[in-house]
Amino acid sequence: QKEVEQDPGPLSVPEGAIVSLNCTYSNSAFQYFMWYRQYSRKGPELLMYTYSSGNKEDGRFTAQVDKSSKYISLFIRDSQPSDSATYLCAMSAAGGYALNFGKGTSLLVTP
Amino acid sequence: DAGVTQSPTHLIKTRGQHVTLRCSPISGHKSVSWYQQVLGQGPQFIFQYYEKEERGRGNFPDRFSARQFPNYSSELNVNALLLGDSALYLCASSPDRGGYTDTQYFGPGTRLTVL
Repeated sequence: QKEVEQDPGPLSVPEGAIVSLNCTYSNSAFQYFMWYRQYSRKGPELLMYTYSSGNKEDGRFTAQVDKSSKYISLFIRDSQPSDSATYLCAMSAAGGYALNFGKGTSLLVTP
Repeated sequence: DAGVTQSPTHLIKTRGQHVTLRCSPISGHKSVSWYQQVLGQGPQFIFQYYEKEERGRGNFPDRFSARQFPNYSSELNVNALLLGDSALYLCASSPDRGGYTDTQYFGPGTRLTVL
């Protein structure tokens, strides 16, 4: 079993929809949680960075961490076609240096 | 400010050859990490370097090596290339202010194809 599980999708939604992306993990030492967006054949771009449990909002993006359930989420409000990309969750332990990634979820927002 | 830069953008090699990939971190960032991303998968950690010292290594064979230079740029070397080494190689830099896990900012990657 991989330490980080993420449904690869693809997920297709109409423009304007609320998108929910999720990851589960098994390593209780993980304390830092990130979401990256990756367009085709490009490097990952950092969207959200959170520490421990709780919510964090940045514009149309909200990240949630539930450490008790080992479950993290990214919500995208008012989705746009430009949001079409692969979304990667990543996490690391305190003092850790390696990011542990999920497989990525492919999102398509249709006009 | 310039982000993380990597060269070359694309590379085609044949089995058994050697390859060197290069990375320049964001100005002021002291830590560089390397990741391998196979098509359809998330990035896999290869190395992290800080102040020219290897801080950590992922589950990769000894054919993979790296180094960091005094200006914090870095090279990833792969010897005796295999078909399975075909992937996007990503470099990430972080400020590494010490004491906690810093976030990592990725470059555009080098796409390596091994024939």
